[in-house]
Amino acid sequence: GEDVEQSLFLSVREGDSSVINCTYTDSSSTYLYWYKQEPGAGLQLLTYIFSNMDMKQDQRLTVLLNKKDKHLSLRIADTQTGDSAIYFCAESSGSSNTGKLIFGQGTTLQVKP
Amino acid sequence: GAGVSQSPSNKVTEKGKDVELRCDPISGHTALYWYRQSLGQGLEFLIYFQGNSAPDKSGLPSDRFSAERTGGSVSTLTIQRTQQEDSAVYLCASSPQGNLRNQPQHFGDGTRLSIL
Repeated sequence: GEDVEQSLFLSVREGDSSVINCTYTDSSSTYLYWYKQEPGAGLQLLTYIFSNMDMKQDQRLTVLLNKKDKHLSLRIADTQTGDSAIYFCAESSGSSNTGKLIFGQGTTLQVKP
Repeated sequence: GAGVSQSPSNKVTEKGKDVELRCDPISGHTALYWYRQSLGQGLEFLIYFQGNSAPDKSGLPSDRFSAERTGGSVSTLTIQRTQQEDSAVYLCASSPQGNLRNQPQHFGDGTRLSIL
């Protein structure tokens, strides 16, 4: 079945770049998403990418997609303490036409001052 | 309101009781989703509504779980005879049209359910 995998934890210094990685198995995925979750809150959509794109940039965020390897990454430039949160990678299930999301386990980003 | 609204934000109840969780989607969004977030299982899809009908209920974990949507807007998720393993955060999301995958889902803040 469909599966999405992420590393569980990343720690960086304030001002450094953060790179969060994700792999997925569904070759028919057409859209891939990054969500951010702060404590006690729901999921905030950060960005998404269509599978015919290799890269998408939005201010401090850069998404890279390697469709051949089914690998997605999120780069946060000039990471700030306010970026500390859990980041979820998700794919829109290719085997259904409902748009339901399959999520990774989430990567906890810790930003040290 | 501007975003997806869920109530209550927290619910504590005794094992065996029934609970109802409410979701008010973004106005005009026809697609509505329920997900569950728990420590052991991560984020799991439960059910999808397009308008008032639910073409995909494949994620509901047992027949104790049901959901309905009326007027193409508010949805309620009902859990009957709650068990301790039902303790989780229940998240609702909406999008303009669910079957078009380029329309991102917008999430509410969730209901944190604790079963004693």
